Amino acid sequence: GAVVSQHPSWVICKSGTSVKIECRSLDFQATTMFWYRQFPKQSLMLMATSNEGSKATYEQGVEKDKFLINHASLTLSTLTVTSAHPEDSSFYICSVNRRRSYNEQFFGPGTRLTVL
Amino acid sequence: QKEVEQNSGPLSVPEGAIASLNCTYSDRGSQSFFWYRQYSGKSPELIMFIYSNGDKEDGRFTAQLNKASQYVSLLIRDSQPSDSATYLCAVTPSGGADGLTFGKGTHLIIQP
Repeated sequence: GAVVSQHPSWVICKSGTSVKIECRSLDFQATTMFWYRQFPKQSLMLMATSNEGSKATYEQGVEKDKFLINHASLTLSTLTVTSAHPEDSSFYICSVNRRRSYNEQFFGPGTRLTVL
Repeated sequence: QKEVEQNSGPLSVPEGAIASLNCTYSDRGSQSFFWYRQYSGKSPELIMFIYSNGDKEDGRFTAQLNKASQYVSLLIRDSQPSDSATYLCAVTPSGGADGLTFGKGTHLIIQP
């Protein structure tokens, strides 16, 4: 499988601050990465699709101005949670799509965000 | 709303027995189907994928797909305590998008 890293693995911040989460594909170039969010006892929900060199595609209900995504290179996508609030506290997980004949996705280890 | 449904459990199975996990999906155009395992506090780990009707076996795991019934299942043979986890069913929706739609997962407990 693909090797995907995320940084930081956890972060605690005060309400109103911005937090940047990095997702790196370590062993292949990923033109597409995905960002998911998982609240406690809930499943993963797709937030957005990150496309290298172009704007991200956001899912319905996800505020693009709040969750800024930058896919600056074929191995790095960043998610910035702007003006974070306690309700943004969640487990944020990225994945990369190793395109073959099927849509196999490999997930990073996740970033646990706690907003006080 | 495209949905993926799973029984949340917990599903308790004796060690060495077969664990059977089920999943239904609403989007008839769904093309690929995945089973992920997630341990508490960790990110999902891909176990198997299937995209053709029928069975697909990989070691102790067998995935079954019935597109007519919009049903996917995962069988785990010779269940081990280390198989205790939440199992997430995921599908690739129709329309060409690649982001996965996940079910809420089934919590599986293997009793030693």
